[in-house]
Formats: sequence, C-alpha cells, structure tokens
Amino acid sequence: DAGVIQSPRHEVTEMGQEVTLRCKPISGHNSLFWYRQTMMRGLELLIYFNNNVPIDDSGMPEDRFSAKMPNASFSTLKIQPSEPRDSAVYFCASSSGTPQYFGPGTRLTVL
Amino acid sequence: QQPVQSPQAVILREGEDAVINCSSSKALYSVHWYRQKHGEAPVFLMILLKGGEQKGHEKISASFNEKKQQSSLYLTASQLSYSGTYFCGTLPLAGGTSYGKLTFGQGTILTVHP
Repeated sequence: DAGVIQSPRHEVTEMGQEVTLRCKPISGHNSLFWYRQTMMRGLELLIYFNNNVPIDDSGMPEDRFSAKMPNASFSTLKIQPSEPRDSAVYFCASSSGTPQYFGPGTRLTVL
Repeated sequence: QQPVQSPQAVILREGEDAVINCSSSKALYSVHWYRQKHGEAPVFLMILLKGGEQKGHEKISASFNEKKQQSSLYLTASQLSYSGTYFCGTLPLAGGTSYGKLTFGQGTILTVHP
C-alpha cells in the first residue's frame, strides 16, 4: 500500500508569495495531521482533522496559515503571504486511531 | 505541554546499550516512540498504553511508569542503523485520546559509531 503522499517535496519561493502544500493520506485513515519541524521549535502540530472536519487548529501560527480537507483523500495547507520565518519542513501524517504514519515532508524555503 | 526527553544526545559504539527517557507533567493514556533519520520522516517504533500493554521490536523495548508519567526506551546491542533522532509523543488521559493528538518531545539524537 502507498503511504502518505506529499507534494511538492521541495518548494523555494519568495517572501510574499502564496504557497500550497498537498497531502494524500493513507486510504481508510480518518485522522489527518499537519506538523511543522524546525531546529528551534522541533515538531509542532499545526492542525488536525477527523473525518474531514478540523478538530483543533490552535497550533496554526497566524491567519496567514489555512488548511482544508475537502474529502477523505486530500488535504492542503496554504500560507499566504509567506515569510522567511515560515521556512521549515512540513509533514502530513494520517492515522486510524494510532499510530500516526508520516509522509516524506515538504521542505519549504522562503527567501 | 511538551514532554521532556533526556538525554538530549547520546553517542555509542556498536553493541552498546542506551536508554532514552520521556517525562510528562500530565497524566498519560499512552506514549508513542518514533525514530527520524536525517532528511527523512519520523517512523513509528512502538506504543506504550496505560495498563502496561506494550508493542514494538525485539532489540528495542520500552517501559511506561504511569505513576511517574514517564516512559523509557531501551536500545540493546546498538547497530549503526539505530542512529537518528528519537521522539516520544504523548497522549494525555484528559481529552484528545479519541483523535490521537500527540504532543512530541524535543527529541534525543542518537549516534552509533563503528
């Protein structure tokens, strides 16, 4: 079975541009999580969905960040406008209860 | 609140053993251990559940002290492939258990030399 799929794997953009990260969870999983990982702050949970419904977005740093899950097989994390401090690796993970399975991540660099 | 891991880093030679600890200020339902190799995603190792149930690998085991709200990961006869950053993720007793929302520690960097 395919694992969690994320795209793009790498994204380089300039400050002020819109960035959209995509995630396809493992089929049959009903929970989806978006994490951000940096050296300074470690692995932070941004938002998570259950059955396509956002449950907790308290980790979303600012209004510039938004996430959607229009159906069970697709989710997006959007940053608009992007800033250099948003540079990080963004992971998507999915689960059916536990454990969580992580995607390969998107390395975002904002210049 | 984020669980605290110790030590922050460990350097071993092949064949040596290591223990990584994870402490929480909250009463826990479960503790999850992950390993992340450089440039890769975290990979699930095992889960420790309240009540003592344990899953995982043979040479990598773990314990969960519910009263102390602590978990320890034991790596025996370490191999080069054990190198990476180990994270514990905790699930509190109060709230969130039904959706599996984990709070991760800051990680412990394990380096195994030949």
